[in-house]
Amino acid sequence: DAGVIQSPRHEVTEMGQEVTLRCKPISGHDYLFWYRQTMMRGLELLIYFNNNVPIDDSGMPEDRFSAKMPNASFSTLKIQPSEPRDSAVYFCASSLRNLVLRDVGKNIQYFGAGTRLSVL
Amino acid sequence: AQSVAQPEDQVNVAEGNPLTVKCTYSVSGNPYLFWYVQYPNRGLQFLLKYITGDNLVKGSYGFEAEFNKSQTSFHLKKPSALVSDSALYFCAVSARDTGRRALTFGSGTRLQVQP
Repeated sequence: DAGVIQSPRHEVTEMGQEVTLRCKPISGHDYLFWYRQTMMRGLELLIYFNNNVPIDDSGMPEDRFSAKMPNASFSTLKIQPSEPRDSAVYFCASSLRNLVLRDVGKNIQYFGAGTRLSVL
Repeated sequence: AQSVAQPEDQVNVAEGNPLTVKCTYSVSGNPYLFWYVQYPNRGLQFLLKYITGDNLVKGSYGFEAEFNKSQTSFHLKKPSALVSDSALYFCAVSARDTGRRALTFGSGTRLQVQP
């Protein structure tokens, strides 16, 4: 498997524009997470899905942010309108629920390489 | 609410010496504990985890971590550091009993290994 794939790797946009970040999780994984990393705030969980259903979106900063997972192999994080303070690295991660504790491969979140967003 | 504290922003160690990166956590009930490493311009990579069982957990690249329930700690260790271990290390926790899958990360500790 190619791992978690995020696109684009870099995005530069102007304030007020719409930004869409994309994520393809590892095939077969049933959890998908969106994180944001900044120097000031570190790694923050924005939202996570289980079987394509949003479970916890309490980390989404405000209504300008929205996330969807239309199917098991694709998710988007949209910012509209974007602001300079949204500049950060956005990571997507996926994992597989551990149904059998002996299987040490489960319950691990696998991260994509991230999207570095710069809002000018 | 769950939280993770990594009290050191940076740890410096000479190559060949043992290293320790500290982590303490707070969670309701029993924890899942993780260590991740981040190299420049890369995503986080899983190193090791504690779910249950032995308190000493061995992971990738010769790293290990010791779960101490009474001290709510999960320090990362390696007997002999390599220059290539220089990176940003994150400790993370989730609450096993609630079933909440999301991880809460610490602020990260930058490990610098000098030749």
